[in-house]
Amino acid sequence: DAGITQSPRHKVTETGTPVTLRCHQTENHRYMYWYRQDPGHGLRLIHYSYGVKDTDKGEVSDGYSVSRSKTEDFLLTLESATSSQTSVYFCAISSGQEKLFFGSGTQLSVL
Amino acid sequence: AQSVTQLGSHVSVSEGALVLLRCNYSSSVPPYLFWYVQYPNQGLQLLLKYTTGATLVKGINGFEAEFKKSETSFHLTKPSAHMSDAAEYFCAVSDGGGADGLTFGKGTHLIIQP
Repeated sequence: DAGITQSPRHKVTETGTPVTLRCHQTENHRYMYWYRQDPGHGLRLIHYSYGVKDTDKGEVSDGYSVSRSKTEDFLLTLESATSSQTSVYFCAISSGQEKLFFGSGTQLSVL
Repeated sequence: AQSVTQLGSHVSVSEGALVLLRCNYSSSVPPYLFWYVQYPNQGLQLLLKYTTGATLVKGINGFEAEFKKSETSFHLTKPSAHMSDAAEYFCAVSDGGGADGLTFGKGTHLIIQP
């Protein structure tokens, strides 16, 4: 399995609080992605990165920001969490050969 | 813009029966196509992918898929279902650019009846 670690695995927070999810890889892959998974919607891309300090928006980026200061770490921040951001968040990595490797996910509940 | 449509949010088959999960895509360029599987409380695992070349692609666990350009389809099949195949299956498309990730369908939950 590709070396991808997401933390935390589970998080419960309150509306209006900031939340940061971390994705750490040991594969030295250039590309990293954050997706959210919701019933009836499949996986939707939030943000992605194609290198250190190089990021771009995905399909559902509103309310989220990302940072990548090192190749191995890709952080997803919810500046002010809302109940609509309750979801399962997946990090994925790729070497650019199309195949994505996924982490185990973070279950986030915003109350 | 590219998109993926998976027909049927739930598919139920008997153990030993043929599995057929349908996927249609739209893409303005020759697509790269993927099937991923997700077991409960886990991340997604790649089953198989089509990039170029042979249109019949074989994957893990006895699954295969055929790229049909004229039908814009990439249906997933397995001749004989096992109980262990029960999972969520996602079809995905890329325009081959690599950097901007994959576009996923909404998923099909495969139920195996004993």
